[in-house]
Amino acid sequence: AQTVTQSQPEMSVQEAETVTLSCTYDTSESDYYLFWYKQPPSRQMILVIRQEAYKQQNATENRFSVNFQKAAKSFSLKISDSQLGDAAMYFCASQLEGAQKLVFGQGTRLTINP
Amino acid sequence: GAVVSQHPSWVICKSGTSVKIECRSLDFQATTMFWYRQFPKQSLMLMATSNEGSKATYEQGVEKDKFLINHASLTLSTLTVTSAHPEDSSFYICSAKTGMNTEAFFGQGTRLTVV
Repeated sequence: AQTVTQSQPEMSVQEAETVTLSCTYDTSESDYYLFWYKQPPSRQMILVIRQEAYKQQNATENRFSVNFQKAAKSFSLKISDSQLGDAAMYFCASQLEGAQKLVFGQGTRLTINP
Repeated sequence: GAVVSQHPSWVICKSGTSVKIECRSLDFQATTMFWYRQFPKQSLMLMATSNEGSKATYEQGVEKDKFLINHASLTLSTLTVTSAHPEDSSFYICSAKTGMNTEAFFGQGTRLTVV
């Protein structure tokens, strides 16, 4: 069975600083996808970044980057130059190759301090 | 990105009545749609997966007779909460995909309050 664990219920960071959100997962499969989703106060789920497990290179999207450690089954999200609009719940999720559904972690609430 | 519209955004209904929530993919054909339930300050809990033209697959512990899912077309799935009770009050979210390994796009969610 797939599991995704986010061990940080809450994190806070000063505006313009860098913050890293942790995520670990467990699967016996070798092919899968990993995601970070953002859920702002509007509750709309927004895809932040996606990583294919077969790719060694860490995905980046502007200020957002991941540190994907396949052997350690770790998938952390780094947010650089934090902005007030980054305040949200962040969910890590995994999806097996050939499967349809996402498995979500418990979420981390990120607060940005001005 | 693709747009998924969920309607209504919020609804209040009386105990014992049924309420229908719609999920539409506006600019793409969704072969698969998903329905989630989210309690306050918690993660998304998958309720069921629906494929167009076939019966939904429910997750363990989800009552299929209570949460009726219909995916009659490639752009519309509906979730009907039958004989609603206060404990059914929650935030319901749908998502849609065009294929197996494609990105999931989410609706804006529906807040259901049963009084």
